[in-house]
Amino acid sequence: GESVGLHLPTLSVQEGDNSIINCAYSNSASDYFIWYKQESGKGPQFIIDIRSNMDKRQGQRVTVLLNKTVKHLSLQIAATQPGDSAVYFCARGSQGNLIFGKGTKLSVKP
Amino acid sequence: KAGVTQTPRYLIKTRGQQVTLSCSPISGHRSVSWYQQTPGQGLQFLFEYFSETQRNKGNFPGRFSGRQFSNSRSEMNVSTLELGDSALYLCASSLGQGGNTEAFFGQGTRLTVV
Repeated sequence: GESVGLHLPTLSVQEGDNSIINCAYSNSASDYFIWYKQESGKGPQFIIDIRSNMDKRQGQRVTVLLNKTVKHLSLQIAATQPGDSAVYFCARGSQGNLIFGKGTKLSVKP
Repeated sequence: KAGVTQTPRYLIKTRGQQVTLSCSPISGHRSVSWYQQTPGQGLQFLFEYFSETQRNKGNFPGRFSGRQFSNSRSEMNVSTLELGDSALYLCASSLGQGGNTEAFFGQGTRLTVV
C-alpha cells in the first residue's frame, strides 16, 4: 500500500559533522518528493524537493538523493549546526496531497 | 510576501461542540490543503481545495468539512468534537495542485478537546 517510512526515529550528530536522514517509500508511481523540517511549536518548513526524473538535487548545505530502484530517499545536511535540530519529514506527492513519513528527530550536540 | 496564516493559534473546546479554523494562503496561491498532526498518527491529509472546489479528500469522517472562498482563503470545520480530535491542524498552500508542487505550511492551530 501507500506509505512513507523512515529508517530511524532519532539521530544525534556532533556540531560540524554531516547528517544523513533516510526515508523509504513503497509506491513506485510517485514522482514528487519533499523534505520538511519542523521545529517545536512551528509548522513544517519546506527544505528541498526532487522529482523522479532526477536522482540528486542540491540546495544550501542540503542535498537530496533519490534512488528509484530501491525506493529510497535521503537528506544530507552538511556541517550540521545547532539550528538544524528539529524533526525532519519526508513526503511524497500522491493524487493531490502529500503522504508523510513519521519523522526523524535530529539532535545536534555542541 | 506574507506566509500562510492560520487563526486562531490555540483553541480549547468541549466534546460535542463544533469548531471552525481559518487559513489564509500565500498571495497568488490557489490550492489550500489541510492536514491533521498527532503524535500517534503523524501528519495526515484531510482535504484539498482549489478555486473553491474540493479536489481531494482524505480518510476522515464527515464531521470534518471545509470550504474555500473566492479569495482562496479556506476554513475547515469539525462538528461534534471528540477527544481524539485534539491535534495540530495545519494548512498548506501551493501555487498549483497539491502534492505536485512546493507546499508551504502555516504555524497551525492547536486544538484541544476536553
